[in-house]
Order: sequence, then structure tokens, then C-alpha cells
Amino acid sequence: DAKTTQPNSMESNEEEPVHLPCNHSTISGTDYIHWYRQLPSQGPEYVIHGLTSNVNNRMASLAIAEDRKSSTLILHRATLRDAAVYYCILSERGSNYKLTFGKGTLLTVNP
Amino acid sequence: GAVVSQHPSWVICKSGTSVKIECRSLDFQATTMFWYRQFPKQSLMLMATSNEGSKATYEQGVEKDKFLINHASLTLSTLTVTSAHPEDSSFYICSAGSGGHGNTIYFGEGSWLTVV
Repeated sequence: DAKTTQPNSMESNEEEPVHLPCNHSTISGTDYIHWYRQLPSQGPEYVIHGLTSNVNNRMASLAIAEDRKSSTLILHRATLRDAAVYYCILSERGSNYKLTFGKGTLLTVNP
Repeated sequence: GAVVSQHPSWVICKSGTSVKIECRSLDFQATTMFWYRQFPKQSLMLMATSNEGSKATYEQGVEKDKFLINHASLTLSTLTVTSAHPEDSSFYICSAGSGGHGNTIYFGEGSWLTVV
């Protein structure tokens, strides 16, 4: 399975932007980049996903490097409710929606 | 948007008994669903792939006779933990997707299993 590397933890202040990095140097041309977040005792929540172009939705933005070997999840204004573990995952063509989770990044948001 | 729902949210069972957890895709058909297990302070670990109308595919190290998976319809997969033991106590989560590679994959809310 293609692998991703994320910092174990990050800290942010409320109402400030947060940039969560993810390295995926072995990504192939057809792998999608997915971001999920998980609160304690809840299933992962979909945040955003993309292939090559940057993506925006109501929750966040996804900036994908030109060589696709890294990406950044951007939360434009962090709130206390954004405190969670964020997972960056690659989905491979032919894997049929199978996602393999790494350890993710624990985001702490300070009031 | 698409929703995946699990039931029950939590269950307590006695050691040696079996317990069933359901995973439903509420507004889309899912030919494939996935079952994960998560221990406290750890990441999700994929257990098996549930295929509608055929046998499940288990990840290495997961006992297929202990974790029975049935995918009887395009909207329902069940995970039965047989002869449960305290070490099976965990958070079980399912996921499902539709529409092909690159579409969104959704996760259920998770089910807490405590074996006493």
C-alpha cells in the first residue's frame, strides 16, 4: 500500500489558519489523496479529497504539490471543534474504496 | 450526502457469547464494505473486505472463523464476533463507497464492544 507521513501532533490557536502537511513520495499517478478526521469514540469524518488540482469545500482546502509527492490540508479558521486526529490517506486504483490508515496528526486547538 | 450507519452503537456481552454488528449504507448501494477495528489511542486497523454476494476477504492475522462477515444485500453488511473474549473488546467501524475510484468513502459512527 502507498504510504503517507504526517507529523504526530500540531497545535493551533482558535480562529487562526492551520496547515496540516502530508508527504506521499511514492504516490502513483492514479492515487487519490483523502483526508479524514476523527474525534474520540466516533468514526472518521470525511474532510476532502483530490487527485491533482487543489480542492476547496465548506470544511477545508486541499493544496496538492505539483509533483504530487506532498499535500497540505488547510483549515482557514480553526475552531475548538476542529480538534481531532487528521488522517491523510491514499486510495489506489483497483483497491475498491479500501483505505489504509496511518497514525495521523493530532491537532490541538487552543482557545 | 451519503451516510453509513452502524448498529448498535455500543454493546456489552459475556465472554463466550457471540455478538452481531450491522453496517448499512442508507442512501446508496455498496457492493463493497470494509470493517476496521480500533483500540484506544491507536489508529484504525483494516480487518476485512465485505463483498456483496460472495465471501469476505480477510487481512493477514484476522481470524475468519472468529469474525464472521455477511454481506447479504447491497446496503447491509454484518460482522459477528463469535465466542467473544475480553481481548475482542474494541471499537469496530465500517466504511462503504460507491461510484468508482475517486469517489467519497464514508464511515459509520462506530460500535463499541465490551466483553466481560
